[in-house]
Amino acid sequence: DADVTQTPRNRITKTGKRIMLECSQTKGHDRMYWYRQDPGLGLRLIYYSFDVKDINKGEISDGYSVSRQAQAKFSLSLESAIPNQTALYFCATSLGRGTYEQYFGPGTRLTVT
Amino acid sequence: QKEVEQNSGPLSVPEGAIASLNCTYSDRGSQSFFWYRQYSGKSPELIMFIYSNGDKEDGRFTAQLNKASQYVSLLIRDSQPSDSATYLCAVNIGSNFGNEKLTFGTGTRLTIIP
Repeated sequence: DADVTQTPRNRITKTGKRIMLECSQTKGHDRMYWYRQDPGLGLRLIYYSFDVKDINKGEISDGYSVSRQAQAKFSLSLESAIPNQTALYFCATSLGRGTYEQYFGPGTRLTVT
Repeated sequence: QKEVEQNSGPLSVPEGAIASLNCTYSDRGSQSFFWYRQYSGKSPELIMFIYSNGDKEDGRFTAQLNKASQYVSLLIRDSQPSDSATYLCAVNIGSNFGNEKLTFGTGTRLTIIP
């Protein structure tokens, strides 16, 4: 089984709808991250969490919110989706504690029409 | 100046040759450097990381770090068609212990020509 899983893998939604993307991990890592990837812009950090009680904004958090339900679960919500949120979304995890290697989930392709 | 810069490519290399990918970074205090491979439509996969100056080799891959000049390179020897992918460079920018974040370059697209 994959260490980092994301659901759904693909989603098409309409402008104004609320949508939640979920991430689960079995790696036992403390740190979890949400990125979006757009052609030509690379990976950009949306939110990150270093433990269950710690949530931090990344460089592009506007229009997004997150919830860290447990060490293993980190969800990303789009409260009112807009077309420019169409992108590939990745969850990643890292052990932390002075190490930086991040391991990515398979991604969610989100299309907002 | 971008914090992590890569040439977007595409970089075309004949099969069996050495592919050389480069990445420059802006923060002189950066300590950790990573190379990820990403196939089209797939997630980034960590293939190499280096924490100190010098070279690190793993199979056909070698990572080279030059801290004085603030660049890191990835060499792929005996290039195979399966190496065709986008390669992302990632660096810790302004981070300390307990604040582990990475900044990613936009990637270099590599094509191995059979």
